[in-house]
Amino acid sequence: AQTVTQSQPEMSVQEAETVTLSCTYDTSESDYYLFWYKQPPSRQMILVIRQEAYKQQNATENRFSVNFQKAAKSFSLKISDSQLGDAAMYFCAYRRRDSNYQLIWGAGTKLIIKP
Amino acid sequence: EAGVTQFPSHSVIEKGQTVTLRCDPISGHDNLYWYRRVMGKEIKFLLHFVKESKQDESGMPNNRFLAERTGGTYSTLKVQPAELEDSGVYFCASSQGPRSEQFFGPGTRLTVL
Repeated sequence: AQTVTQSQPEMSVQEAETVTLSCTYDTSESDYYLFWYKQPPSRQMILVIRQEAYKQQNATENRFSVNFQKAAKSFSLKISDSQLGDAAMYFCAYRRRDSNYQLIWGAGTKLIIKP
Repeated sequence: EAGVTQFPSHSVIEKGQTVTLRCDPISGHDNLYWYRRVMGKEIKFLLHFVKESKQDESGMPNNRFLAERTGGTYSTLKVQPAELEDSGVYFCASSQGPRSEQFFGPGTRLTVL
């Protein structure tokens, strides 16, 4: 069975600095998707970034980028120029490419932004 | 366009009572998912509807949980009778196709005393 592990329950970063959130996963599949979701306090979960396993290039969305290491089964999220609005729970998730469309989640990392 | 909505936002009930959670997906989204996060733990998949049919209910914990999606629009998740371990946040998500991005509702926080 697939599993997702986020080893950092909480992280803090100074505003405008860079922070990296860790995620590792375990799967025997060769083709799948990986996601980072963000849930601000009392608000909806939103998709931050998505990576397709067959693509070697790391996904980037503005200040958010990933370091996808397929062989090591690692999928970290880098947030550059951290802003107060980035404060949230961040969840790493995995999904098989075909069939069984459920998301498999990590336990989450609470990100605190220090002004 | 309205997003995924869930009602109620918070429910506090006594052990043994019944609670019904509701999810309204984004209009036109055939796929609807229920997930649950027990405090401090991973979010777990419960089930997946395609229109009114249950595509995958492998995550439903036991027969105290009943999910329906009559007419393929909104969905309800009923817990009867509720137990202490059912406490957590119940998330609903919807997507156009099964491989499309899942859009989440704000969740219902269920507390069973």
